[in-house]
Amino acid sequence: AQSVTQLGSHVSVSEGALVLLRCNYSSSVPPYLFWYVQYPNQGLQLLLKYTSAATLVKGINGFEAEFKKSETSFHLTKPSAHMSDAAEYFCAVSNSGGYQKVTFGTGTKLQVIP
Amino acid sequence: SAVISQKPSRDICQRGTSLTIQCQVDSQVTMMFWYRQQPGQSLTLIATANQGSEATYESGFVIDKFPISRPNLTFSTLTVSNMSPEDSSIYLCSANTQGKNDGYTFGSGTRLTVV
Repeated sequence: AQSVTQLGSHVSVSEGALVLLRCNYSSSVPPYLFWYVQYPNQGLQLLLKYTSAATLVKGINGFEAEFKKSETSFHLTKPSAHMSDAAEYFCAVSNSGGYQKVTFGTGTKLQVIP
Repeated sequence: SAVISQKPSRDICQRGTSLTIQCQVDSQVTMMFWYRQQPGQSLTLIATANQGSEATYESGFVIDKFPISRPNLTFSTLTVSNMSPEDSSIYLCSANTQGKNDGYTFGSGTRLTVV
């Protein structure tokens, strides 16, 4: 079985401040890990993915995440928050190899304060 | 990357009726997925749809309630049958358009309200 836990359902940061959204995973086999963003009234957009290559993954819109096996973590960061980053962020996991279903975390709503 | 067109984007339906949601992908994909996102919650997988075979449903979801069609490699439909207010949710389709398990593209979702 696989799962992800997102710590903090709501996170508030000031514009220009560091964004840190936490995700811990559980998987009995090497995982593939994803971060998705959902803007209001829209579908999900893939931000970045870890698929067993480099542990530091860079995504779109200046976001990056680091896979840490020892900590079973895949936290999402951005050095400087922008107002347009306000959205809900979902961490997700699937088993590596072949087509596999994806299990989503409960989501973290990011608020950016001007 | 591929684009998934999903419609309708929203609907308000009477209880006891059915709604069919359509997803069209602009390239051929092997597997499509249907998710439900209840208000304020995460995504829950309803079923996986392969072309030419019956959909595979997750625990808690049944074909009679959520029949799925997958007539070809670019199209799928999900029907929400005999609706009740508890079915009010956002329904999203997804497909793997970048190769094996390499990131999934989502439709823009259907916001369903049952009254």
